[in-house]
Amino acid sequence: GAVVSQHPSRVICKSGTSVKIECRSLDFQATTMFWYRQFPKKSLMLMATSNEGSKATYEQGVEKDKFLINHASLTLSTLTVTSAHPEDSSFYICSARLLARNNEQFFGPGTRLTVL
Amino acid sequence: ELKVEQNPLFLSMQEGKNYTIYCNYSTTSDRLYWYRQDPGKSLESLFVLLSNGAVKQEGRLMASLDTKARLSTLHITAAVHDLSATYFCAVGYGKLTFGQGTILTVHP
Repeated sequence: GAVVSQHPSRVICKSGTSVKIECRSLDFQATTMFWYRQFPKKSLMLMATSNEGSKATYEQGVEKDKFLINHASLTLSTLTVTSAHPEDSSFYICSARLLARNNEQFFGPGTRLTVL
Repeated sequence: ELKVEQNPLFLSMQEGKNYTIYCNYSTTSDRLYWYRQDPGKSLESLFVLLSNGAVKQEGRLMASLDTKARLSTLHITAAVHDLSATYFCAVGYGKLTFGQGTILTVHP
């Protein structure tokens, strides 16, 4: 149980285009999901907290107009990287919080974004 | 602001040896997690430590938590090559703050 999926797993796009990444909790409902980014050989940095039915909470330094988050249902959160640039290339990982398991976060498999 | 520091950041071990990874954090928390990450992959949960004095073991790995010292340890016993990965500790309830990660390489 407590499986989280992400789609796509890998995406290559041209500079200036927008990319949408989906995060789904497959066998549980998640009122809260989190989005992280990870640069090569670095740690995970929290970008934002996604709350079902309300606006996301962004961490300091993360542009909310650049990284649009929508959490329209209890099993789906999406991250849209708008007008992507090469510096947005990174590994994006989502997680979903499971209340019944002491609020433990379960992580998706990640999405590798490469912007040319 | 919560800070989480791991050491060492790089660990090269010989098979069969023992070693410990340390995770220090700056503010009070009674909830700490250990994760493993293989190259190109996401995080795999190893241990969830929820109280002071908590100790958990799985195979060759054992994790402990001392909330008074704000310290967690991940002990590796008789290392094998399959344990080569990056190990992260993370602290928090809800929002997680991650350590820098420890890159572990186990060689013959």
